[in-house]
Amino acid sequence: AQSVTQLDSQVPVFEEAPVELRCNYSSSVSVYLFWYVQYPNQGLQLLLKYLSGSTLVKSINGFEAEFNKSQTSFHLRKPSVHISDTAEYFCAVSEIQGAQKLVFGQGTRLTINP
Amino acid sequence: SAVISQKPSRDICQRGTSLTIQCQVDSQVTMMFWYRQQPGQSLTLIATANQGSEATYESGFVIDKFPISRPNLTFSTLTVSNMSPEDSSIYLCSVDAGPRTDTQYFGPGTRLTVL
Repeated sequence: AQSVTQLDSQVPVFEEAPVELRCNYSSSVSVYLFWYVQYPNQGLQLLLKYLSGSTLVKSINGFEAEFNKSQTSFHLRKPSVHISDTAEYFCAVSEIQGAQKLVFGQGTRLTINP
Repeated sequence: SAVISQKPSRDICQRGTSLTIQCQVDSQVTMMFWYRQQPGQSLTLIATANQGSEATYESGFVIDKFPISRPNLTFSTLTVSNMSPEDSSIYLCSVDAGPRTDTQYFGPGTRLTVL
């Protein structure tokens, strides 16, 4: 079985500041890793994912995450945030050999202050 | 990416009644999933629905409480039966994005309040 821990339930930052949202996972098997974002009053959207290859993956809106197998982490970062990044961010994993079942973390609410 | 719609988008129901939530996809997909997001909490998988077979339920969820139908490759329903206030949640369906993508796309969710 897998579990995902997002260490921060809420992260307030000022606009244009850098941000890191932390995600650690536990699994006895190899996993794929995902970050999903839920903007206010909207559905869940895939932000980025790590399946294989380069451990650093990037989204089109400036976020990036790095898979660290030794630390079982997949932290999400952005060097300069915007008001529009205000949302709930969910880290998730799924077994590589499994049935695509996603196991989610508790979510981190990112609030951007002007 | 697949376009997923859910009906209803929200509902307020009385204790003891049942509600059926519909999930429609604009393309044929193999796997569909139903998740629950309780207030202030993360998403939890209820069951996996493949066309032509019985849904597979996760631990803590049973077919009598959450019956699921999957009549074709673009549609599924989830029924929340004999509701209680503890069933108040957002219910989301998702679909696999295609073979070898190992990615899911989510619908907008159905916000259910049980009084």
